[in-house]
Amino acid sequence: AQKITQTQPGMFVQEKEAVTLDCTYDTSDPSYGLFWYKQPSSGEMIFLIYQGSYDQQNATEGRYSLNFQKARKSANLVISASQLGDSAMYFCAIYPQVNSNSGYALNFGKGTSLLVTP
Amino acid sequence: NAGVMQNPRHLVRRRGQEARLRCSPMKGHSHVYWYRQLPEEGLKFMVYLQKENIIDESGMPKERFSAEFPKEGPSILRIQQVVRGDSAAYFCASSSFDTNTEAFFGQGTRLTVV
Repeated sequence: AQKITQTQPGMFVQEKEAVTLDCTYDTSDPSYGLFWYKQPSSGEMIFLIYQGSYDQQNATEGRYSLNFQKARKSANLVISASQLGDSAMYFCAIYPQVNSNSGYALNFGKGTSLLVTP
Repeated sequence: NAGVMQNPRHLVRRRGQEARLRCSPMKGHSHVYWYRQLPEEGLKFMVYLQKENIIDESGMPKERFSAEFPKEGPSILRIQQVVRGDSAAYFCASSSFDTNTEAFFGQGTRLTVV
């Protein structure tokens, strides 16, 4: 079984500052993938970043980076230079590596609400 | 993710009616996943389908819920005899088996049972 824990229900950050959203996970799978999604008030799920458990380097996508610490089972999302448009819910998710029988099913955390203030 | 199309975006049903939610995957994707998001919660996996096959329905309620992904046409999530507790956002995601490092979601269908 896999589990994601996001301990911060809400976060505030000032515009142009960096913010870290916490995500810890629990899994018995030998390999897995970690995702972060953004859900603005309009409701859609926007893919942000992916990290494979065997990737040697931390993933980065523009202003998003994933601070992956495998031994600690944490996959924190770092948003640099926050913008007002970053205000949204952020979800961390985990899935086992694809096998030939089941594809994948993402397990999501409960999310963190981020508010960026001017 | 604009390629995964869900309709309707909003659906209102009275208790006891049927709800049909549609999902057209991205072009070239043959794998479809349905998730449910209750208020203030993350998404919960419901069912995983490939064309004409249900691969994993471990997240589906045992009664009233069914899903299909026919050879032609969209995937359908059907909820019979809806109850207030079915009110949620239902998301569909699609993937190509070879590129599982991204999961593309549709914009969701918000079901309200009155």
